[in-house]
Amino acid sequence: GENVEQHPSTLSVQEGDSAVIKCTYSDSASNYFPWYKQELGKRPQLIIDIRSNVGEKKDQRIAVTLNKTAKHFSLHITETQPEDSAVYFCAASNSGGGADGLTFGKGTHLIIQP
Amino acid sequence: NAGVTQTPKFRVLKTGQSMTLLCAQDMNHEYMYWYRQDPGMGLRLIHYSVGEGTTAKGEVPDGYNVSRLKKQNFLLGLESAAPSQTSVYFCASRIYHPGAEAFFGQGTRLTVV
Repeated sequence: GENVEQHPSTLSVQEGDSAVIKCTYSDSASNYFPWYKQELGKRPQLIIDIRSNVGEKKDQRIAVTLNKTAKHFSLHITETQPEDSAVYFCAASNSGGGADGLTFGKGTHLIIQP
Repeated sequence: NAGVTQTPKFRVLKTGQSMTLLCAQDMNHEYMYWYRQDPGMGLRLIHYSVGEGTTAKGEVPDGYNVSRLKKQNFLLGLESAAPSQTSVYFCASRIYHPGAEAFFGQGTRLTVV
């Protein structure tokens, strides 16, 4: 089955700086890569996703890049703000089959220092 | 529109007791999932269902059973709870369309003593 590795486990950045979180996956059949944000005590919520037919997607201050050859994808947050502090999870699935759920990375605790 | 709702939100069980967690969604989603979340482990899939009357095992199914008698409900059962099942449980659902967003419930914090 799929295996998703996520790094780093903790990331501390100064407010206003950029943050980058990286994930690798093992199953070359995976073609859907969402990122979820989870605030303390809350449910995971989708912030951005990318499909294998594109290499990059951007939504305001967040962007995701995908390198299918190397089997890795990254989340980029620019101009970080205090409300960006949370745990971020990457995930992968074979959306062609799709039903059997997402495989998640172990999460990155992002800390925004004032 | 409530989305995905889990019942209960918190529960403490004694070892060996049984309980059922209920997940209800009002979005007419075909696919439903149960995950558990443990510190430093991310979310791991327990069981899932692609439609009413169907269920399948995920990554960590041992010690759990599920049922999907109605399309909107997905039940997770623990027949004989163990301390290793102390966790936060999340239900999720989505439509059948490939790559569709999965929506999560608010979570159930279960402690087995």
